[in-house]
This record gives sequence, C-alpha cells and structure tokens, in this order.
Amino acid sequence: QSALTQPASVSGSPGQSITISCSGTSGDFGAYNYVYWFQHHPGKAPRVVIYDVNNRPSGVSNRFSGSRSGNTASLTISGLQAEDEADYYCSSHTTSSTLYVFGNGTKVTVL
Amino acid sequence: QVQLQESGPGLVKPSETLSLTCTVSGGSMNIYHWTWIRQSAGKGLEWIGRLNMNGNSNYNPSLKSRVTMSIDSSTNQFSLKLDSVTAADSAVYYCARNVPGTTFFIWGQGTLVTVSS
Repeated sequence: QSALTQPASVSGSPGQSITISCSGTSGDFGAYNYVYWFQHHPGKAPRVVIYDVNNRPSGVSNRFSGSRSGNTASLTISGLQAEDEADYYCSSHTTSSTLYVFGNGTKVTVL
Repeated sequence: QVQLQESGPGLVKPSETLSLTCTVSGGSMNIYHWTWIRQSAGKGLEWIGRLNMNGNSNYNPSLKSRVTMSIDSSTNQFSLKLDSVTAADSAVYYCARNVPGTTFFIWGQGTLVTVSS
C-alpha cells in the first residue's frame, strides 16, 4: 500500500502543459523537504526527472518542473512531447520504518 | 560510469527462496546505500530494503520477516534473498544506488522474477 497518492492517469495534447499531483503526510513531505519524481518507460530503468522538490538532474529537459505546498507535491511537464508518455512516480523519505515511499504512479498519455 | 546489473533465476517455485545478485561496475561501493526495489505487474514501485558497506540494513516492514540482504565488496556485488515466496512476489526486481540522504540516481535494468510451479 503506497503512502503517497497520485492520480492514475493524466493526458494532454502535444505542446500542452500537464500537472501531476502527489499527496503525502506529515511523516514524509511534512518531515522532509525531499520530493523526487521518476519517469518510467516500460522495460527501462526509472529515471529521476526532479529531485529535492524542484531540481533537475543534468540532462533532463527544462520542460520538467516541480513544486511543493504543504503535504502536496506537483510535477509539471510543459510543451508536452510524445517522448514524455510514460509512468511517473513521486517519492520521498519517510519517518516510518519503511524509510522510503513511492506514489502509486501516474500514467501520462500524449493524445 | 557506474552501472548496475541484476542477475538470478527468472522462475521460482512457490514457498522457495528468491535469490538475486546485483553486480556493480565502474565505481566503488563505499559510502553509498545499496537498495532493492520491485514492481509487480500493474502496480507501483515498492521499496524492499537497503544496506551499506558496514552491513547495516533496513527492510520494508511488510517484507522484513522474509528478507535478507548481504554485500560483498570483494566481488562488487550485493544480494537479495526473499523466503517463502508466493505469486504475489512475482515482479520486476531492480537494484539501485543512492548517496545517503538522497534518491536513486543509478538503477539496474531490472530482472523479471515469476513465482510459479
């Protein structure tokens, strides 16, 4: 059972912007200012697109941006492209003995 | 460039032990946390547990009674054992690396394990 809640799916047309939400608790987002977002294409290893709430690793397009307000984090993809079609997972450290939690995942479809 | 590669049987019988190894190439195993994560069909990512070079480990409470992780710096490998498997343990298993306090920037490609008789 995931501790972080995401919408099951989000879709948009090429060029549009979409936002994926991720709801946590005081035990994860509330305790740590560490929110991570992974992009996962089926059959490949997940890739970090956002770390520490709003930072992009080298090589990740600036079309990806992150934010957080209280116990909710968001990932925005602007200028949606076909290659962005994938599953996206939020994650965080947690004060529970699980130590690290993922969201249930959001399937992004480019129409 | 650090690379991780999972290896192990793709088919395990129910009630038996699932054993996987992750081989680390291109870098040291020091200072990092070495982690196993899985994804069951149609489900999200699940953190299984982690360990470091000192042998200190932490496991997901939901799996703790069945999980053992170990590390061998002489071979640059770390391992996962999951006892008494059932069909619910069928998943793609990933090994990953993180610097303590941050996330998993380095992943293996994943290996599919099916539990079936």
